[in-house]
Amino acid sequence: GENVEQHPSTLSVQEGDSAVIKCTYSDSASNYFPWYKQELGKRPQLIIDIRSNVGEKKDQRIAVTLNKTAKHFSLHITETQPEDSAVYFCAASRGTGRRALTFGSGTRLQVQP
Amino acid sequence: NAGVTQTPKFRVLKTGQSMTLLCAQDMNHEYMYWYRQDPGMGLRLIHYSVGEGTTAKGEVPDGYNVSRLKKQNFLLGLESAAPSQTSVYFCASSDRDNNSNQPQHFGDGTRLSIL
Repeated sequence: GENVEQHPSTLSVQEGDSAVIKCTYSDSASNYFPWYKQELGKRPQLIIDIRSNVGEKKDQRIAVTLNKTAKHFSLHITETQPEDSAVYFCAASRGTGRRALTFGSGTRLQVQP
Repeated sequence: NAGVTQTPKFRVLKTGQSMTLLCAQDMNHEYMYWYRQDPGMGLRLIHYSVGEGTTAKGEVPDGYNVSRLKKQNFLLGLESAAPSQTSVYFCASSDRDNNSNQPQHFGDGTRLSIL
């Protein structure tokens, strides 16, 4: 089955700096890669996703890049703000069958004011 | 439009007791999923359903059963609760698209403690 590894497990940045979180996946048939933000005690919230036919996608301060050959994808947050502090999860899934997500173990991002 | 609603939000059980967690979605989604989240870990798939009347096992199905008698509801049952099942349980749903994945929408979770 799919295996998703995520690094780093914790990340502390100063407000205004950029943050990068990286994930690798094992199943070459995976073609959908969402990123979720989870605040303490809350549900995971989808912040951005990318499909395998695209190499990069941006949404304001957030961007995701995908390298299918190397089987890794990354989340980039620019101009970080204290409200970006949360746990971020990457995930991967196939476009057929059950389509369930396999999650990484999460990155705790702390933005220092 | 409430999205995905989970009940109850919190529950404490004694070892050996049984209970059912309810997930309801009002988006007419075909796919529904149950995940569990343990401290320091990502979400892991317990069971899933690709349509009314169908269910299948995920990564960690042991000790759980599910049913999807109605399209909008997905029930997760614990027949004989064990302390190892202490976790936060999330339900999710997604739309059906023959060509690609659709985003999964999550409920607020059920925090379950087994003593």
